[in-house]
Amino acid sequence: AQSVTQLDSQVPVFEEAPVELRCNYSSSVSVYLFWYVQYPNQGLQLLLKYLSGSTLVKGINGFEAEFNKSQTSFHLRKPSVHISDTAEYFCASGAEGRRALTFGSGTRLQVQP
Amino acid sequence: ETGVTQSPTHLIKTRGQQVTLRCSSQSGHNTVSWYQQALGQGPQFIFQYYREEENGRGNFPPRFSGLQFPNYSSELNVNALELDDSALYLCASTPKNSYEQYFGPGTRLTVT
Repeated sequence: AQSVTQLDSQVPVFEEAPVELRCNYSSSVSVYLFWYVQYPNQGLQLLLKYLSGSTLVKGINGFEAEFNKSQTSFHLRKPSVHISDTAEYFCASGAEGRRALTFGSGTRLQVQP
Repeated sequence: ETGVTQSPTHLIKTRGQQVTLRCSSQSGHNTVSWYQQALGQGPQFIFQYYREEENGRGNFPPRFSGLQFPNYSSELNVNALELDDSALYLCASTPKNSYEQYFGPGTRLTVT
């Protein structure tokens, strides 16, 4: 069985500061990892994905994430955040042979001026 | 290219009633998945459809059922609605031979 743990429920940060949102996963099979962003009253938008290959993946809006197999982590980073990055961020995993995604509980990023 | 669309946007139903939610997949996507997102939580997988057949199901009772049509659009039906069914229902489609899922804007269901 798969599980995804997002270690922080809320992350407050000042505008233009760097941010890291933490995600750990557990899976007994090859795993695919994703980060999604959800703005208020909207669906989920795919930020970035790790399917295979380079462990550092770059996504939209200046976000990137690093797949670390030994630590079973997939932390999301951005070097300089904007007010518009305020949203809920979800880490999700999928597995070979099963296309359903398992989501974490979400991290609310609050960017303050 | 049109993304995933869902209808209706909002819906209010009474306990015990039945509801049908609809989803149109993104062009070129042949797999549709449905998720329930309760307030303040991450989405929970309900089921997935591929080639018009159920292709995996989460921990949801049989009163949650679905359909996928030849054009890859899909419906989610919920019978005997309960108060706890109040949630945002998200539909997602997956491109052929891929794993990422693209989500629609969701349908907000309120059961009173």
